Formats: sequence, structure tokens, C-alpha cells
Amino acid sequence: NAGVTQTPKFQVLKTGQSMTLQCAQDMNHEYMSWYRQDPGMGLRLIHYSVGAGITDQGEVPNGYNVSRSTTEDFPLRLLSAAPSQTSVYFCASSPRETQYFGPGTRLLVL
Amino acid sequence: GQSLEQPSEVTAVEGAIVQINCTYQTSGFYGLSWYQQHDGGAPTFLSYNALDGLEETGRFSSFLSRSDSYGYLLLQELQMKDSASYFCAVNSGNTPLVFGKGTRLSVIA
Repeated sequence: NAGVTQTPKFQVLKTGQSMTLQCAQDMNHEYMSWYRQDPGMGLRLIHYSVGAGITDQGEVPNGYNVSRSTTEDFPLRLLSAAPSQTSVYFCASSPRETQYFGPGTRLLVL
Repeated sequence: GQSLEQPSEVTAVEGAIVQINCTYQTSGFYGLSWYQQHDGGAPTFLSYNALDGLEETGRFSSFLSRSDSYGYLLLQELQMKDSASYFCAVNSGNTPLVFGKGTRLSVIA
């Protein structure tokens, strides 16, 4: 039981490049979410999903895209990276009240 | 909208007790959670209060007052390893948790 896994752990992008952050969970949780964490800002919700085929926007969705084709996977796509997207990205899954977080992806956009 | 307020920093002495407060404003409320995050790590779940009162888990306790939209995390017998950031989070129903900005706890000798 691996829990929530994220790849890659680190990534450096140039402005304008696109990429996909991968997230997978093996706990059969319906809820999955993406957060970004910046110094002094806490955890801000980007997108979330309440089940396969269903996604919705969070607090800071601009510049990001998501899809949920299976219960297990919830990838986050950066369409055209910008320096403002430099952050630590956490994926989380949840049965209801408790969120289980992945180890995070540290992204630097130059 | 939803908002949570908690102190940005707290410093306490090893062996002492510290309380981290959280006040919230939400359109719906099911419960208040607390998470711990060490530097460079991911947030991990500590406790959840759906009803008024105190929940105790070892050295950590969490309290909720729904009528006051207020809760706190109480850490007893502080250890150096408790130095971390602590986040309160609100469960308001069918959307994911909304987190406060976190309280950085420094435990000093």
C-alpha cells in the first residue's frame, strides 16, 4: 500500500514550457485534490475531484488543467509555465474528513 | 467565502504546554482538522473535531466550539521534534479542506 505517490519530486522549467505532474493513490479514495504551497500562504486549492470523470476548480485554478479518468490517477497539467507557478505542489486523496498527502513536487520556473 | 485565522508563529520551551488557536468563517461546517508539517515534508493528519469539546490523542489535544467558530490545538510535554508548522483546516461538505496559513512552532531548550 503506497498511499499517495507524486512524480517528479523536482522539476525545473523554462517560461512557456508545459508539463504534467503525476499523482496516484491506491486507497480507492473518491476525493482527490491538488494544492500549492508558497511561503506564508499556507495550502491553496488548485483543482479537485469528487470521483472519476468529475473535476472542479479551487481557489487558484488559472494556468492549470486536470482530468480524472480513473479513481487512482489525478494528473495536474501546467499549460504554459510562468515564474509565478514556482511552488511546491501537493496532491492529496481523502475518503471524507482526513486528507492523505503525497510527498510533493518542487517546481522551479525560470 | 471561507477564511481561517491562526497565529503565524509561536515559540515555547521544551517540556512546556502550548496552545495554537484557530478561528474560522465558513458557509458550511462539518468539522475542524489539524495537520502537522515538518520542513521539507508533507502535511500529516493530527486530529479532527466534528462536535464541541476536547479530543485527546497522546500529548496532543484538540478542542472545538462550534458556537464560537473557534478551535485550538494543545501540545503538552513539548519535545524538540514538535518544531513544525501546524495548520487548521475546515471541512465544509463536498469540497476539499480549506486550510489556514499555518502556525510555525519553534520549541527551544
